[in-house]
Amino acid sequence: DQQVKQNSPSLSVQEGRISILNCDYTNSMFDYFLWYKKYPAEGPTFLISISSIKDKNEDGRFTVFLNKSAKHLSLHIVPSQPGDSAVYFCAATANTNAGKSTFGDGTTLTVKP
Amino acid sequence: NAGVMQNPRHLVRRRGQEARLRCSPMKGHSHVYWYRQLPEEGLKFMVYLQKENIIDESGMPKERFSAEFPKEGPSILRIQQVVRGDSAAYFCASFGQRQETQYFGPGTRLLVL
Repeated sequence: DQQVKQNSPSLSVQEGRISILNCDYTNSMFDYFLWYKKYPAEGPTFLISISSIKDKNEDGRFTVFLNKSAKHLSLHIVPSQPGDSAVYFCAATANTNAGKSTFGDGTTLTVKP
Repeated sequence: NAGVMQNPRHLVRRRGQEARLRCSPMKGHSHVYWYRQLPEEGLKFMVYLQKENIIDESGMPKERFSAEFPKEGPSILRIQQVVRGDSAAYFCASFGQRQETQYFGPGTRLLVL
């Protein structure tokens, strides 16, 4: 049973437009959510996080939205840039402990110039 | 995340051999997590260690796998009698007192022939 799902394996957007990456979870105990970005042959890099007490967190071009009732979160990137092309992982954890995170399978974002 | 070091970056083993993967956390970090990523999948938690203690090994296979984080030196993930299914990327992550995010190393890519 996959507790964190990223249903879109890939996403392609034009430079300058908005990228929206989606993530669904099933475990009600999750209370902290993170997005990571990963380039080939590198480890994941932390992007942005959100606690379950919030419904939105913004950091520059990146905004994460959390809908607890729907058990859904999304990452918005505006405006998208070619350098954003990477694999994006959604992760969730309980007890506000970023360790022992449960990861989705990732979405490959391609931003076309 | 350049502060987390893993070596080797690539490791080739024949079936039945032993694999030793090393992880040096960021300076000042005393918590280490190991994750495994199979092809086309997300990262899966394996084990959580603090210095000289295994805190949570619920994600580690019961046989052939072991991990340690000694008082001095890197954390080591050891896989005995490797099989082809062990071929994967193994990432370690560290973080300090504020467990709000973790910093990943570049990973070790293990290939079992």
